[in-house]
Amino acid sequence: GNSVTQMEGPVTLSEEAFLTINCTYTATGYPSLFWYVQYPGEGLQLLLKATKADDKGSNKGFEATYRKETTSFHLEKGSVQVSDSAVYFCALKKNTGFQKLVFGTGTRLLVSP
Amino acid sequence: NAGVTQTPKFQVLKTGQSMTLQCAQDMNHNSMYWYRQDPGMGLRLIYYSASEGTTDKGEVPNGYNVSRLNKREFSLRLESAAPSQTSVYFCASSDPDSGNTIYFGEGSWLTVV
Repeated sequence: GNSVTQMEGPVTLSEEAFLTINCTYTATGYPSLFWYVQYPGEGLQLLLKATKADDKGSNKGFEATYRKETTSFHLEKGSVQVSDSAVYFCALKKNTGFQKLVFGTGTRLLVSP
Repeated sequence: NAGVTQTPKFQVLKTGQSMTLQCAQDMNHNSMYWYRQDPGMGLRLIYYSASEGTTDKGEVPNGYNVSRLNKREFSLRLESAAPSQTSVYFCASSDPDSGNTIYFGEGSWLTVV
C-alpha cells in the first residue's frame, strides 16, 4: 500500500541554520507529494506540493524536489527563523480517481534564537 | 474567507457520553474528511465523503459515525465515548478544481475522562 516515512524529531536548530527534513514514500504509480505545516494550536496548512517527477515545490523559503529515482521529497530551507518552529508533515495522494491523502507521522522543528 | 469551520474547539466528555463534532466548508468542495491526530502517529483518517450523499470508512472508523448532511456539512458522532478517543480531531475538504489540495479546519480538542 501507499505510505510515507519521515525522519523522527524533534529537529533542533539555531536561527539561520540550514534545514533538511527527510521524507520518503512508497506508492504504486505516480502520486502527488505535499508538505503541510502545523503551527502550535492550529490546523494543518499546505506549505508546498509537487505533482510529478522532478517538479520542485517552493513557498516561504522552503523547497522540496520530487525525486522519483529515490522516492523522496525532502524539505529544505536555507536559513530558518524562530517563527518556523512547527510540526511538518509529508504526505502523498495518488492522482487517479478519488484518492485519500496519506500522511507521515510528522517532524517537530524547534528553532532557537 | 472562513474555509473549513469546526465546532466545538474544546470538549470534555465522560466515558459513555455521546457528542457530535460539526464541520462546514464554504469552498464548494465535493470531498470532506475527518482525521484524528495522536502523538507519534500523525494523522489517521476516520471517515471520508467523496461526494455529497456518500460516506466511507477510513483507517480507524470504529466507535464513530458520520453524516454528510449536505454539500457543505459533514458531522462526526461519538455514540459512546471512550478514553481511547481522547484526541485532536480535524475536519478537511478538497476538490479536483482546487488541485486536490486538502484544506483543514483548526481542530477540535476532545478529552474523554
